Amino acid sequence: AQKVTQAQTEISVVEKEDVTLDCVYETRDTTYYLFWYKQPPSGELVFLIRRNSFDEQNEISGRYSWNFQKSTSSFNFTITASQVVDSAVYFCALSEAHSNSGYALNFGKGTSLLVTP
Amino acid sequence: DSGVTQTPKHLITATGQRVTLRCSPRSGDLSVYWYQQSLDQGLQFLIQYYNGEERAKGNILERFSAQQFPDLHSELNLSSLELGDSALYFCASSLRPSTDTQYFGPGTRLTVL
Repeated sequence: AQKVTQAQTEISVVEKEDVTLDCVYETRDTTYYLFWYKQPPSGELVFLIRRNSFDEQNEISGRYSWNFQKSTSSFNFTITASQVVDSAVYFCALSEAHSNSGYALNFGKGTSLLVTP
Repeated sequence: DSGVTQTPKHLITATGQRVTLRCSPRSGDLSVYWYQQSLDQGLQFLIQYYNGEERAKGNILERFSAQQFPDLHSELNLSSLELGDSALYFCASSLRPSTDTQYFGPGTRLTVL
């Protein structure tokens, strides 16, 4: 079963628009971590953020912000005033503390974001 | 630059062949993970090593194997290659085998013809 769902396959916005990427996760573990990674066209996976299950405080880093809500099992990512350089595939991932997979990351299918001038 | 290195960047080979992908973790990281990214399966965990020992296995085929050496670099061996093995293979490292952040290398793109 898919543990991380990113329902939006592709999103296209015009530069300077705000955009929110959705992530819904599923776990029975009480201790887990959530991540967002960015994969630009060059192909590498770039770490953006890591949050643990005990910290629901929202986080802001420049134009990026993350909203973590345990009640809805969601960890959404918002880019404010998007720029062309934000064009990439964004992955949400889950790591469970008591899994038998050695803390491996369970990735969603990714959301491809295209920002046009 | 994550500090994780992978070689080669690209690899083109034929069906039935065997290849070895190499990964050097970030300085100080003891844990190495291998992932496969393909169009149909997405990003999938293959195997994890910590300080030279295998710690966990994911969806790794029996034709695939890996090891981590005393200097902590890791190699992923893929044998009897099939067309469906064509994918981007990532190595990631973290300080410990825990929920520490995993930093990814640039990947090795394998094409099987």
